[in-house]
Amino acid sequence: QVQLVQSGAEVKKPGASVKVSCKASGYTFTSYDINWVRQATGQGLEWMGWMNPNSGNTGYAQKFQGRVTMTRNTSISTAYMELSSLRSEDTAVYYCARDLSSSGGGAFDIWGQGTMVTVSS
Amino acid sequence: SYELTQPPSVSVSPGQTARITCSGDALPKKYAYWYQQKSGQAPVLVIYEDSKRPSGIPERFSGSSSGTMATLTISGAQVEDEADYYCYSTDSSGNHSGVFGGGTKLTVL
Repeated sequence: QVQLVQSGAEVKKPGASVKVSCKASGYTFTSYDINWVRQATGQGLEWMGWMNPNSGNTGYAQKFQGRVTMTRNTSISTAYMELSSLRSEDTAVYYCARDLSSSGGGAFDIWGQGTMVTVSS
Repeated sequence: SYELTQPPSVSVSPGQTARITCSGDALPKKYAYWYQQKSGQAPVLVIYEDSKRPSGIPERFSGSSSGTMATLTISGAQVEDEADYYCYSTDSSGNHSGVFGGGTKLTVL
């Protein structure tokens, strides 16, 4: 079946970086953009950016520009999100999501299970 | 930066109609999408492109958009519809820059 499976929970110290993976299966990985969304405990959803797995093109929310990098490895149908210079406010569940729409619409029809990232000294 | 505004909470009795609004300056030009999120779970797409319903989503969920406001309507809300609902859209910059509304807690009791 169509699914996105993310890597496991991470604990990082302030100032470090984290790289979360998102493995796609059940569909052609390069056919749909992957978006990343995060959610701090008890808070709302926050959009971080998108990546086109075919071209590698990316677009990031202004808030994360300079700190986030989204990449992919098409040979293993896996997308990655790396966030650097971590601070306590980055503690959240990070989700990847497939965008079914063209041209960056926002129809996120398949979501990963989420990856908890904890930033603590 | 672009913002989408939702009411923090909406409350209805079972069988009543729940309406959740989402306002944003770019909505006349950009589609709205709606997500349902139950506690401890990943979000689920319930409406896309203002008013389309994905397969598997009950018919009681519908969407509309007029001017700067999009609306999610749940006709005959059921107890299992109690969840957080988020609208999503993109700004008008052409850079596919997305944003979620702050979310609305729907209580059905």
